Amino acid sequence: EVVMTQSPATLSVSPGERATLSCRASQSVRSDLAWYQQKPGQAPRLLIYNVSTRATGIPARFSGSGSGTEFTLTISSLQSEDFAVYYCQQYNYWPTFGPGTKVDI
Amino acid sequence: QVQLQESGPGLVKPSETLSLTCSVSGDSIRSDGFSWAWIRQPPGKGLEWIGSLFYSGGAFHNPSLKSRVTMSKDTSKNQFSLKMNSVTSSDTAVYFCARQLWGSGGYYFDFWGQGTLATVS
Repeated sequence: EVVMTQSPATLSVSPGERATLSCRASQSVRSDLAWYQQKPGQAPRLLIYNVSTRATGIPARFSGSGSGTEFTLTISSLQSEDFAVYYCQQYNYWPTFGPGTKVDI
Repeated sequence: QVQLQESGPGLVKPSETLSLTCSVSGDSIRSDGFSWAWIRQPPGKGLEWIGSLFYSGGAFHNPSLKSRVTMSKDTSKNQFSLKMNSVTSSDTAVYFCARQLWGSGGYYFDFWGQGTLATVS
């Protein structure tokens, strides 16, 4: 099993600020990594796949980078609708998710 | 737009079988290049992949759950289903169904159902 870790567990930011979320894999997953956003009571929404490709309809303020075992999701200027929990997921082996980073105000 | 909707009993007794169905609209479960997956989320916790089902009938399961999980499909209704036997309180979770891209482009989950809470008690 590939174990995914995320840091920080909680990130407190102000609207308009930049947010940087980290994700680490216990072994290389190459570029087989996605990011999801989840708001309370909702299903996760795909933001980014293959490390850096934005899903349909995802604003350009969301960007992803990294490879191998270290990955980053950056939200360039936080909007009110971006406060949520963010999960990374690898799919180089059978799918596993990180524990999430909560972005709050 | 692809839409998925889970359905099934909200309450299951310990040691019994949890049964859920996912109805798909906006796409066919026969579509090439996709599998159809189940993912769960215990209250207040993270996400756990349960398994993925192909139109061909083949499936991949989370090794930690494989012995208790059966997935099937009904192409006439454009639905797929999950059965998990011998449930315990640790199986209490919101269960999501999702479409999973399957191929050289990746294996991520691009469309999700809203989720259904299954409580074991």
